[in-house]
Amino acid sequence: DAKTTQPPSMDCAEGRAANLPCNHSTISGNEYVYWYRQIHSQGPQYIIHGLKNNETNEMASLIITEDRKSSTLILPHATLRDTAVYYCIVRAHTGGFKTIFGAGTRLFVKA
Amino acid sequence: GAVVSQHPSWVICKSGTSVKIECRSLDFQATTMFWYRQFPKQSLMLMATSNEGSKATYEQGVEKDKFLINHASLTLSTLTVTSAHPEDSSFYICSASLVSSDTQYFGPGTRLTVL
Repeated sequence: DAKTTQPPSMDCAEGRAANLPCNHSTISGNEYVYWYRQIHSQGPQYIIHGLKNNETNEMASLIITEDRKSSTLILPHATLRDTAVYYCIVRAHTGGFKTIFGAGTRLFVKA
Repeated sequence: GAVVSQHPSWVICKSGTSVKIECRSLDFQATTMFWYRQFPKQSLMLMATSNEGSKATYEQGVEKDKFLINHASLTLSTLTVTSAHPEDSSFYICSASLVSSDTQYFGPGTRLTVL
């Protein structure tokens, strides 16, 4: 079973920041938080991951709470192309560990 | 970098035939590849974990004799759906992990339609 809880859907206005929450209250000390997104009829796209520190890359920022029980993915300036299903996943960082997908959050970016 | 390809991108076949789907890591070596299946409006379901040079590990409920997985090299894994039936129609997606990192990168998927 997936170890994360996400809202089923969210709306965001184009150009505004999209903040996608994720609860992972049972996360273990050696598990990372990963975010992927899936645009319709395509394979999932890696976005970002982190262990306990906040992370930022060219696509997004990841904010992890101090107790690591929740996190937020931030798309700073959402565009229509960011409309997708966003998956928050926790998994250990040792070889071959499985990535189990939950239901994800369907983000609609509106003009 | 970290590009994963799949071939074919879509396939239509008759019931009872077998279909082979290829998954390649184009610019990195992958000791581990994963195969997923996704039905319409559902999330990805892990089918099996494939390690180079060894037998695949199948998830509970996935028939290993129906879904044959071969991972003969560090850049290629194949999934063969044997004696396909209409209920096998789905979106099949593979992913691969870099040797030195465990971030998984996903292929674009293969849409299988069995008539």
